Amino acid sequence: DAKTTQPTSMDCAEGRAANLPCNHSTISGNEYVYWYRQIHSQGPQYIIHGLKNNETNEMASLIITEDRKSSTLILPHATLRDTAVYYCIASPGGGYQKVTFGTGTKLQVIP
Amino acid sequence: NAGVTQTPKFQVLKTGQSMTLQCAQDMNHEYMSWYRQDPGMGLRLIHYSVGAGITDQGEVPNGYNVSRSTTEDFPLRLLSAAPSQTSVYFCASSSAGMNTEAFFGQGTRLTVV
Repeated sequence: DAKTTQPTSMDCAEGRAANLPCNHSTISGNEYVYWYRQIHSQGPQYIIHGLKNNETNEMASLIITEDRKSSTLILPHATLRDTAVYYCIASPGGGYQKVTFGTGTKLQVIP
Repeated sequence: NAGVTQTPKFQVLKTGQSMTLQCAQDMNHEYMSWYRQDPGMGLRLIHYSVGAGITDQGEVPNGYNVSRSTTEDFPLRLLSAAPSQTSVYFCASSSAGMNTEAFFGQGTRLTVV
């Protein structure tokens, strides 16, 4: 599975869009970009994933560059409850057999 | 649906004791895995299973054993606990095939004294 690189931490004002970047320059053709988040010490929670096209669901949007070497997770209107660690991983999915979650990005939403 | 259930939520062991962390899922997922998370770090894969009767090692398997006798259950055994195994343990499951996401349990916080 491809290695991903994320900033250690970011701040975002409440109500503003939070844009979390991720680099995955060695991603292979069959690997999806997945985003998870971990609030406090709870179990990670799935947010969104995509292969080539941009994706949107009720939680977030995922923008993947055309060369697939990087992506951005967008939380359109951040709330205090979005304060969490956000993990970006590249994986074919279906098992995560050898996926290691890095340290992620600690997003702090500021009132 | 209960999803992925881990028991116990908290456990304190003495060095050298053994115990089993339980993980059960009710989604009929083929894949299950165990991770550990140390303070300020990401999740590291301990062991995983692609189906009943099939297990394999992850990144940090030493000191842990697993078995998968049923689709639903994937217990993690510590045969002789060491302080270095103090951590939070997460179990995850997902369905087979591409393009699927993982579901995580709420974790077991283990302290070895």
